[in-house]
Amino acid sequence: SQQGEEDPQALSIQEGENATMNCSYKTSINNLQWYRQNSGRGLVHLILIRSNEREKHSGRLRVTLDTSKKSSSLLITASRAADTASYFCATDVRAGTALIFGKGTTLSVSS
Amino acid sequence: DAGVIQSPRHEVTEMGQEVTLRCKPISGHNSLFWYRQTMMRGLELLIYFNNNVPIDDSGMPEDRFSAKMPNASFSTLKIQPSEPRDSAVYFCASSFRAQGASGNTIYFGEGSWLTVV
Repeated sequence: SQQGEEDPQALSIQEGENATMNCSYKTSINNLQWYRQNSGRGLVHLILIRSNEREKHSGRLRVTLDTSKKSSSLLITASRAADTASYFCATDVRAGTALIFGKGTTLSVSS
Repeated sequence: DAGVIQSPRHEVTEMGQEVTLRCKPISGHNSLFWYRQTMMRGLELLIYFNNNVPIDDSGMPEDRFSAKMPNASFSTLKIQPSEPRDSAVYFCASSFRAQGASGNTIYFGEGSWLTVV
């Protein structure tokens, strides 16, 4: 069953613009992670935010978490063509459980 | 450092045939996951092993699917008999998880692209 749902399903922007993707989930979580998948490849971990954190940065990535709204956002600043990929949020509801992924947002960055 | 290794990368098989997908996790990792990805259903967890023991197999679609992990460096996912609706990308992933810990990064293989005709 799906725990996280990303929004929008698809996003097209120009190089240099910012891209914002949102994730909503259903149940309380321990952590939320974002992963990236290039076409035809496996998923790669980007960033993790714990349930007691509200914001986290990594390079051009900024992740926020609002546990009261059960939602998270991933912001990619100054996007590049190489950022073209699908982005997934994933949650684990308690220690010892596996990550459950959303269906992803497909980002297309054109030059 | 080798990542998660999956084989075969691509397989085309006829309905009714047995399919075996193989996975070698990253050395030292103690958790292994099999996921299935389709356009319609996204990325679904099939089964999760910890220290070679199946912990959660609630995602395994039906009895046609079985998974084993005979040792820490090898796992298989078998479909017998295969059906066209099994066509998907099957991902193996691994992580190191300390007891009671959460929030571990998981590392994915490149996937096995299965087409059942």
